[in-house]
Amino acid sequence: KAGVTQTPRYLIKTRGQQVTLSCSPISGHRSVSWYQQTPGQGLQFLFEYFSETQRNKGNFPGRFSGRQFSNSRSEMNVSTLELGDSALYLCASSLAVQPTGELFFGEGSRLTVL
Amino acid sequence: LAKTTQPISMDSYEGQEVNITCSHNNIATNDYITWYQQFPSQGPRFIIQGYKTKVTNEVASLFIPADRKSSTLSLPRVSLSDTAVYYCLVGDMGNAGNMLTFGGGTRLMVKP
Repeated sequence: KAGVTQTPRYLIKTRGQQVTLSCSPISGHRSVSWYQQTPGQGLQFLFEYFSETQRNKGNFPGRFSGRQFSNSRSEMNVSTLELGDSALYLCASSLAVQPTGELFFGEGSRLTVL
Repeated sequence: LAKTTQPISMDSYEGQEVNITCSHNNIATNDYITWYQQFPSQGPRFIIQGYKTKVTNEVASLFIPADRKSSTLSLPRVSLSDTAVYYCLVGDMGNAGNMLTFGGGTRLMVKP
């Protein structure tokens, strides 16, 4: 069974540009969540999607957005990039239909903003 | 939203048992406690999950007291490869709209 796939793995952008990151969840998983990880702030929740609907959003500015498609694949977009957006962006999928269960994480997309 | 508190770092030696405690005073009735392990530049990986009392699997044990306000991850006989960051996570995986929050994590360093 294929794991969570994130693309691209590495990318470099300059301030003011925008970026789109992609996440393909494990087959059958309908929940996809995104996290930002930086050395200073740790793992911070961005948002979670379930059946194409955003169920919750973390405390991030509106420059951070996402969406989920009917096949459960998800994308997140960051517009008007700032230096502080440099981070490892992690996507996780889960069944999310029962109280128990685990998050399956991808290897992340490492974004560097110059 | 259940907030967790863990030690920032711990040191141990190969072959020792390591216990990492997580405090979660405002845990909700439907919340489960889950621990994840993360190596540098990789996504976190599930270790163990429990609701109350004790849970054991092939890699770890999880001890949860009756009041569920804390939990302890126990790693038996650690090796160098157990050097990683360990996160305690509290939440209801199936609750629509639940925002799962990772705490700061505990950086475990296993020395030879």
